[in-house]
Amino acid sequence: EAQVTQNPRYLITVTGKKLTVTCSQNMNHEYMSWYRQDPGLGLRQIYYSMNVEVTDKGDVPEGYKVSRKEKRNFPLILESPSPNQTSLYFCASSLPDRNTEAFFGQGTRLTVV
Amino acid sequence: EDQVTQSPEALRLQEGESSSLNCSYTVSGLRGLFWYRQDPGKGPEFLFTLYSAGEEKEKERLKATLTKKESFLHITAPKPEDSATYLCAVRPPFSGGYNKLIFGAGTRLAVHP
Repeated sequence: EAQVTQNPRYLITVTGKKLTVTCSQNMNHEYMSWYRQDPGLGLRQIYYSMNVEVTDKGDVPEGYKVSRKEKRNFPLILESPSPNQTSLYFCASSLPDRNTEAFFGQGTRLTVV
Repeated sequence: EDQVTQSPEALRLQEGESSSLNCSYTVSGLRGLFWYRQDPGKGPEFLFTLYSAGEEKEKERLKATLTKKESFLHITAPKPEDSATYLCAVRPPFSGGYNKLIFGAGTRLAVHP
């Protein structure tokens, strides 16, 4: 089954404690992105990757890092989480064709206290 | 600035009561408008892509239409299982890689028996 898998689904952490949210896709997609979803603001792009070792900032990259060492994996790293990073996070992947839709993971609900 | 606005924020319908959701955008040089459905606790699920004014697409009780400045998602004779948040997203030109999507905040639809 084609899917994007995120882990963990739920995470509660304390301010400043480094964490990583993993994302893996099995569709051999070149493009992968991270979004955060906040009430009233919709989904906003954090970082994206056009292929292995090629990443760039989205609209809200502050406080986040990513890496793309393998085509299927695109982890999101919070080096020093803060309460304003409490949010619902989604990983997405798609083919490079501009006309194709993005496939989303199930989401990771992060709470930073 | 590229922007996507959805209205209403929330909509309550009786089963069988048809209605429309609106998505207006200010992106110039649109390279696709996407409709997604999002159920609580899940990632967005792709519904439709529209590319040019006048285009229409249908799926079961849903029909999406596109003009130069907005899109409508028409729901005909809705059922309780159509209850979800409906997200509209546009793909702008030349930003965030080819897979960037700019999302609206969504419309929460509740269909009651």
